Amino acid sequence: KAGVTQTPRYLIKTRGQQVTLSCSPISGHRSVSWYQQTPGQGLQFLFEYFSETQRNKGNFPGRFSGRQFSNSRSEMNVSTLELGDSALYLCASSFDGTGNGYTFGSGTRLTVV
Amino acid sequence: GENVEQHPSTLSVQEGDSAVIKCTYSDSASNYFPWYKQELGKGPQLIIDIRSNVGEKKDQRIAVTLNKTAKHFSLHITETQPEDSAVYFCAASLYGGATNKLIFGTGTLLAVQP
Repeated sequence: KAGVTQTPRYLIKTRGQQVTLSCSPISGHRSVSWYQQTPGQGLQFLFEYFSETQRNKGNFPGRFSGRQFSNSRSEMNVSTLELGDSALYLCASSFDGTGNGYTFGSGTRLTVV
Repeated sequence: GENVEQHPSTLSVQEGDSAVIKCTYSDSASNYFPWYKQELGKGPQLIIDIRSNVGEKKDQRIAVTLNKTAKHFSLHITETQPEDSAVYFCAASLYGGATNKLIFGTGTLLAVQP
């Protein structure tokens, strides 16, 4: 059974650019959540999508957005990148998004220079 | 707001010893408490979880205890092995609620010395 796949694994962008990260959940999972991991702030919730709808959103600026497709794959976008956006972005999927059973991907390491 | 405190931030033990990591949560409505292990270059991996209607849960060398009154929960690893070395995160969530997100602790770097 394939796990959660995140692409790309590494990304280097310049301040002011935008970036799109991709997440393919475990087959059959309908909920996809995104987390930002940094040494200073730890793991912080960005947003959760379920059946193509954003159900929950964390305390991040509007530059962070996402979407989910009909096949449950999800993308997150960060516009007007800032140095502080450098982080490991993790995607987690679960069958029904009830809060348990999350399986995380290996993440996308974003570096903003 | 919601908060999960985790201690210690680093823990070094000898192989074969036990390791205990403690967490405290602030939202009394939380009812689901998972523990994750994160190895270098990988995402967090669920190792054990507990619901609020249970006081203790064991899975081989790993156990989790929950004290709902004190809003504390702990991870116990017995007979530690070098491969247990990793960063461990506790988390709290409202299972089945409208807000399906995990609030994570700040992590504990566990080093098991051979």
